[in-house]
Amino acid sequence: DAKTTQPPSMDCAEGRAANLPCNHSTISGNEYVYWYRQIHSQGPQYIIHGLKNNETNEMASLIITEDRKSSTLILPHATLRDTAVYYCIVIRDDKIIFGKGTRLHILP
Amino acid sequence: NAGVTQTPKFQVLKTGQSMTLQCAQDMNHEYMSWYRQDPGMGLRLIHYSVGAGITDQGEVPNGYNVSRSTTEDFPLRLLSAAPSQTSVYFCASSYSPATYEQYFGPGTRLTVT
Repeated sequence: DAKTTQPPSMDCAEGRAANLPCNHSTISGNEYVYWYRQIHSQGPQYIIHGLKNNETNEMASLIITEDRKSSTLILPHATLRDTAVYYCIVIRDDKIIFGKGTRLHILP
Repeated sequence: NAGVTQTPKFQVLKTGQSMTLQCAQDMNHEYMSWYRQDPGMGLRLIHYSVGAGITDQGEVPNGYNVSRSTTEDFPLRLLSAAPSQTSVYFCASSYSPATYEQYFGPGTRLTVT
């Protein structure tokens, strides 16, 4: 399985940008990086995904390094509702494996 | 579209009982999967299916069976429930696992006593 490494927790002040890192040094050339988040006990929610280029949508931006060994999810203006566990995933062999993720605390 | 639906929302079983957790989607998705999430832990993949008639094992398949007779439904069967299977179970679906987002159901909270 394509393994990812994330910090277990992070804090961010409300209104500031939250930058969540992910290391995926064993990623292969055609494997996408996906980000999901899970708020409290709800089902995970898709945020964004990318292959090589940086991506942006209404929720977040995804910055992938040129060598594709790491990426950063950016929430541009974090709010209290962004408090959640954020998962970085690389899919290999049709298996979507969630790691432990990063617990993001938004501080008022 | 109802999206991904799961029934029941809550279930209590006694050790040794069997039951089926239901999962259905109305988005014509080929890929479906089941996860379990224990308190304070991440999601662990139990079984997945890339299309009707095709299933495969995930990280923690023991004690669970699945089948995929239609595109819409992907039931998860517990043959003989054990307390270690107390967990929240999530079903998910997508057009394909690698290039499309997964849609998750609301979860089934199962307690085995």
